Amino acid sequence: QVQLVQSGAEVKKPGASVKVSCKASGYTFTSYGMHWVRQAPGQRLEWMGWLNTGNGNTKYSQKFQGRVTIMRDTSASTAYMELSSLRSEDTAVYYCARDWFWSTYYWGQGTTVTVFS
Amino acid sequence: QSALTQPPSASGSPGQSVTISCTGTSSDVGGYNHVSWYQQHPGKAPKLIIYEVSKRPSGVPDRFSGSKSGNTASLTVSGLQAEDEADYYCSSYAGSNTWVFGGGTKLTVL
Repeated sequence: QVQLVQSGAEVKKPGASVKVSCKASGYTFTSYGMHWVRQAPGQRLEWMGWLNTGNGNTKYSQKFQGRVTIMRDTSASTAYMELSSLRSEDTAVYYCARDWFWSTYYWGQGTTVTVFS
Repeated sequence: QSALTQPPSASGSPGQSVTISCTGTSSDVGGYNHVSWYQQHPGKAPKLIIYEVSKRPSGVPDRFSGSKSGNTASLTVSGLQAEDEADYYCSSYAGSNTWVFGGGTKLTVL
């Protein structure tokens, strides 16, 4: 069965960077794209970016352009999302989610990132 | 890449029907038949309930239905049940490998 298992919770200081991993299993990793979505406490879902797991190409939301980097390690069937220059407003749950018919059916369990000084 | 517009809240009594709207532009909702709807219970990851405007993934009750007219998509929940109380988000492909979510609607079952 398809599973996306994310890395554990992180606590970071303002200005630091965070890197969240998403290990995929149960399917061919390079056959489906991967999205990253975040949700701040009590707030809406926010699409951050998309990774073509086959060739490594990426597309980012304009809001995060310049601060977010999405990458993959095909040998480990793992996608990564790195967000830099963290501020308190980046405190959120970060999800990876796999492409499925122009939507996302499979989601990771979420990784809580807390930014505070 | 502005968020799609959803009403903040909606409500209905058990057994009733409720419709949630999702308004975008010709660059997203109106331009593609790639509108999805997600149900999210507190503390849980979102669950896909509608994809490609009106299709239901396996296991999603047919009480959930989707449609689209122009730049506005809609989710209808018929025969409301207590477990339908949740947050609902629409999402649309917006071209050039970008996606956008709506602001979310909190559905209350009275």
